[in-house]
Amino acid sequence: GEDVEQSLFLSVREGDSSVINCTYTDSSSTYLYWYKQEPGAGLQLLTYIFSNMDMKQDQRLTVLLNKKDKHLSLRIADTQTGDSAIYFCAENWDAGGYQKVTFGIGTKLQVIP
Amino acid sequence: DGGITQSPKYLFRKEGQNVTLSCEQNLNHDAMYWYRQDPGQGLRLIYYSQIVNDFQKGDIAEGYSVSREKKESFPLTVTSAQKNPTAFYLCASGQVGYEQYFGPGTRLTVT
Repeated sequence: GEDVEQSLFLSVREGDSSVINCTYTDSSSTYLYWYKQEPGAGLQLLTYIFSNMDMKQDQRLTVLLNKKDKHLSLRIADTQTGDSAIYFCAENWDAGGYQKVTFGIGTKLQVIP
Repeated sequence: DGGITQSPKYLFRKEGQNVTLSCEQNLNHDAMYWYRQDPGQGLRLIYYSQIVNDFQKGDIAEGYSVSREKKESFPLTVTSAQKNPTAFYLCASGQVGYEQYFGPGTRLTVT
């Protein structure tokens, strides 16, 4: 559960869909999360998925989980300029009897008007 | 209003001085966390506490200290032993095993 990897940067045009990808290593993950961080601010929880689910949809957000490949993705439909931010993937995993959360390095999403 | 507050938003200190960052939550969460964020490095865990009067070192605890005397409060002291203290510090809280909720952060600059 020590590694969560994300690409550093994604650029999309306004109105297109954005897909941010993440891979993780620990098979004991219970929950996986997506957070959004705007400049100079804290992290805002966007959505989460329990590890026994394949998909979760919440308005413009769709989370897909491929547990076999340990791959998580966040799709943002009809991306807007207000979606420009850094997006963090995180996994909650069992570290020998207590829960730990490991965050990815963050993917910076740039939305071009 | 429920939430997590951090103060101050910006903090400036001279090298060699200790400084304490405040974190308060009224969400009745058992667990609280401190992270450090540097450009291009994501979040790194400094300390965490899952219950009052108990806390554990995270991945980069050297040069930092914490206390958890009350459920609502988890202050972080950046000591003069921390070699590179200038960073953005984020506090979070949550129930153990579930999502974490973050405060707005404190940007510390040490010169």
